[in-house]
Amino acid sequence: QVQLQESGPGLVKPSETLSLTCTVSGYSISSGYYWGWIRQPPGKGLEWIGSVYHSGSTYYTPSLKSRVTMSADTSKNQFSLKLSSVTAADTAVYYCARGVYYYHSGGYYTYHFDYWGQGTLVTVSS
Amino acid sequence: EIVLTQSPGTLSLSPGERATLSCRASQSVSSTYLAWYQQKPGQAPRLLIYGASTRATGIPDRFSGSGSGTDFTLTISRLEPEDFAVYYCQQYGSSPCSFGQGTKLKIK
Repeated sequence: QVQLQESGPGLVKPSETLSLTCTVSGYSISSGYYWGWIRQPPGKGLEWIGSVYHSGSTYYTPSLKSRVTMSADTSKNQFSLKLSSVTAADTAVYYCARGVYYYHSGGYYTYHFDYWGQGTLVTVSS
Repeated sequence: EIVLTQSPGTLSLSPGERATLSCRASQSVSSTYLAWYQQKPGQAPRLLIYGASTRATGIPDRFSGSGSGTDFTLTISRLEPEDFAVYYCQQYGSSPCSFGQGTKLKIK
């Protein structure tokens, strides 16, 4: 049974960096799949932030690319998200998820997500 | 970026009825790379359908997906009480992958 669990601070100050970790159990992240972060502002829809492979290969959504860093730690079976220079607009529930990936001839990957963590609310406020 | 528009925004039906949810893309979605998710309050989304019509593991056969190009449909043949939730479509035919704004399925 694949399980994912997000962890990290629930409150971040404006202009600071949001840092979250996703711990995976029941599956080794080294065995394949991309591992993604998706967020959902309160009462709103879903937004893909980016995805990381166990090798460190990453893909980010263009609107957040300048502020996002993702990495994978195979020794801990974890992957992480850092989002810098946060504002109130970054307040959201952040989900980690396993991405079933598809390679496209344009040289990029896309994903649908088959296992999700329960989500963690991160509020940006002073 | 492909924009997905879901309709209706809210659908009010009774248990036992048939639900038809629509997802329209601003550009053609290549190779039917379209997924549907169900989300209940306070829970993570749950994958229902991928590849426009393939049910995910453990999903009951009352859920079915269809469509291609720019028009996709999720059909729930006979609504059960646990089906009342918000449904999202997601395209992964081009990057960045994107989600629709959701359809809320309410009990009438």
